Amino acid sequence: DAKTTQPNSMESNEEEPVHLPCNHSTISGTDYIHWYRQLPSQGPEYVIHGLTSNVNNRMASLAIAEDRKSSTLILHRATLRDAAVYYCILRDLYIYGNKLVFGAGTILRVKS
Amino acid sequence: KAGVTQTPRYLIKTRGQQVTLSCSPISGHRSVSWYQQTPGQGLQFLFEYFSETQRNKGNFPGRFSGRQFSNSRSEMNVSTLELGDSALYLCASSPHLRQGSDYEQYFGPGTRLTVT
Repeated sequence: DAKTTQPNSMESNEEEPVHLPCNHSTISGTDYIHWYRQLPSQGPEYVIHGLTSNVNNRMASLAIAEDRKSSTLILHRATLRDAAVYYCILRDLYIYGNKLVFGAGTILRVKS
Repeated sequence: KAGVTQTPRYLIKTRGQQVTLSCSPISGHRSVSWYQQTPGQGLQFLFEYFSETQRNKGNFPGRFSGRQFSNSRSEMNVSTLELGDSALYLCASSPHLRQGSDYEQYFGPGTRLTVT
């Protein structure tokens, strides 16, 4: 599985946008970029995923660099409920099965 | 629609004992995966079941095993417990098992196992 690199932690103010970066310089052409987050005392939850184009959903936006070697998860207005560990994960289109390979993730702290 | 449920939520066992954890996937989901989460190793994939068959396996010793029933519910078993098995065990369900990554997985709240 291709590797991702994320900052250990980030801090944000409530109601402000947050940009969570992820580097994946060895990404292959068939790797999807997935983001999951894990709130305290809960299991991970899916946030968003994309392949080449930027993606938006009700939770967040995903901006993918043109060379695909990096991506950024954007939370448009952080709330206290967004404090969590955010994981950037690559999944190959042609791999059979649902296995996710988690890295250490980024701990996001949100200040009120 | 009810989410993924795991029972029990908390468990304390003694070294050398065995333990069985249960996972009920979202209705209609046929794939169940198990993960172990520890402070030192993070989230690690244990195995995945689909249609009552193990389809994928992580790098864990044979003491860790699982099974899936015809209603897609799954159990995992750890025999001869060691102190290092203390962890949060998470179950995730997904509708399908196929190539492609264009769908998400749904995780349960986990079972917190403490081995003393």
